[in-house]
Amino acid sequence: EIVLTQSPGTLSLSPGERATLSCKTSQGVPSNYLAWYQHKAGQAPRLLVSDASTRATGIPARFSGSGSGTDFTLTIDRLEPEDFAVYYCQQYGYSPYRFGQGTKLEIK
Amino acid sequence: QVQLVESGGGVVQPGKSLRLSCAASGFFFSNYAMNWVRQAPGKGLEWVAIVSSDGSTQYYADSVRGRFTISRDNSKNTLSLQMNSLRPEDTALYYCAKRVAPGGTSGIVDYWGQGTLVTVSS
Repeated sequence: EIVLTQSPGTLSLSPGERATLSCKTSQGVPSNYLAWYQHKAGQAPRLLVSDASTRATGIPARFSGSGSGTDFTLTIDRLEPEDFAVYYCQQYGYSPYRFGQGTKLEIK
Repeated sequence: QVQLVESGGGVVQPGKSLRLSCAASGFFFSNYAMNWVRQAPGKGLEWVAIVSSDGSTQYYADSVRGRFTISRDNSKNTLSLQMNSLRPEDTALYYCAKRVAPGGTSGIVDYWGQGTLVTVSS
């Protein structure tokens, strides 16, 4: 079973800054089957990135995913006010398809 | 457009059962694996279960295996989650979620419902 650890737990930044979110897995994720989601309170989560680095349809270019093996990163350039939310990574290479515990991106 | 509407949530006593449903529309339901994902109050997302497009294959989280059963009725475009032996720690908002691409049974999802709340309490 693959365990995902996200850091930091909370990230305080200002609009216009760059956010770097980390997701480390307890073992290698096959085929880099790693996704990132954005979740705002009261809304359904939104898929941002699949296969570690492929942006989902309609996702702005300021969101980018990178990494391989056990270390993955979501980078958000030039933060917009609507980007402040909770972000989760998920591996979908092996069942159970666990999520990380989340990183809360808050306005500084 | 894709719509997923969950129902069946409510308050139930520990040890009892509950059945959740998800009505799907706007896509070829029978082509896609479907998932249940939950979020306990104040906690993060937890993947619960997936069923393949034809219903023949199911995978579960360790926390629910043996107590929960995921199933689907492709003739009615409906996904279900039968939850038995419920525990207080099963209290959560339960989301129905569609896999991103047809075929396969990996748990990456692109569309979610709004969720149905299950509260397990005496």
